[in-house]
Amino acid sequence: AQSVTQPDIHITVSEGASLELRCNYSYGATPYLFWYVQSPGQGLQLLLKYFSGDTLVQGIKGFEAEFKRSQSSFNLRKPSVHWSDAAEYFCAVEPGNTGKLIFGQGTTLQVKP
Amino acid sequence: NAGVTQTPKFRVLKTGQSMTLLCAQDMNHEYMYWYRQDPGMGLRLIHYSVGEGTTAKGEVPDGYNVSRLKKQNFLLGLESAAPSQTSVYFCASTHGEDTQYFGPGTRLTVL
Repeated sequence: AQSVTQPDIHITVSEGASLELRCNYSYGATPYLFWYVQSPGQGLQLLLKYFSGDTLVQGIKGFEAEFKRSQSSFNLRKPSVHWSDAAEYFCAVEPGNTGKLIFGQGTTLQVKP
Repeated sequence: NAGVTQTPKFRVLKTGQSMTLLCAQDMNHEYMYWYRQDPGMGLRLIHYSVGEGTTAKGEVPDGYNVSRLKKQNFLLGLESAAPSQTSVYFCASTHGEDTQYFGPGTRLTVL
């Protein structure tokens, strides 16, 4: 069965430090890949997505993600974290152009001043 | 252009009561979805629709029913609410091969 794993439930980084959030998926072919962010009490906002082509994807708010087929991973990165980045981050996959998303468990990011 | 809206934002039910959650989108999207979000479990798909008049089961459909009588609306019904249905419910819509746009959520508590 398809699945998405975000190994880190909670991450704390200092403001200005770099960030990497991990995402691994289980699927036979290359799915569509997404990262969403959820601020407290809010809905989900798309940060970036990968459908095909260049494996390094740029998103909003200075985020980027790299698709690595050999590792079945789609890790999210940001060079310098801002306090406003504190939120919950979800990785999601859409297997085989089904229109259905499978979400990871989420990673909560805390930013220290 | 309001995007995806959900009604109500909050609701408290007693066990056995029924209710309907309304999702509306003004983007002329074909596909609509209902998810539930529980701590440590991410979002799980309850039901979805690929067009007006169609519905299909997702990952966790038991205890819920849906209807898509109009393209812009997707209703989620709980016929007999249970405490296990306490959750935050999100609606989403998309054209299909594109990003899903999410509503702000409905926080439901079943006592």
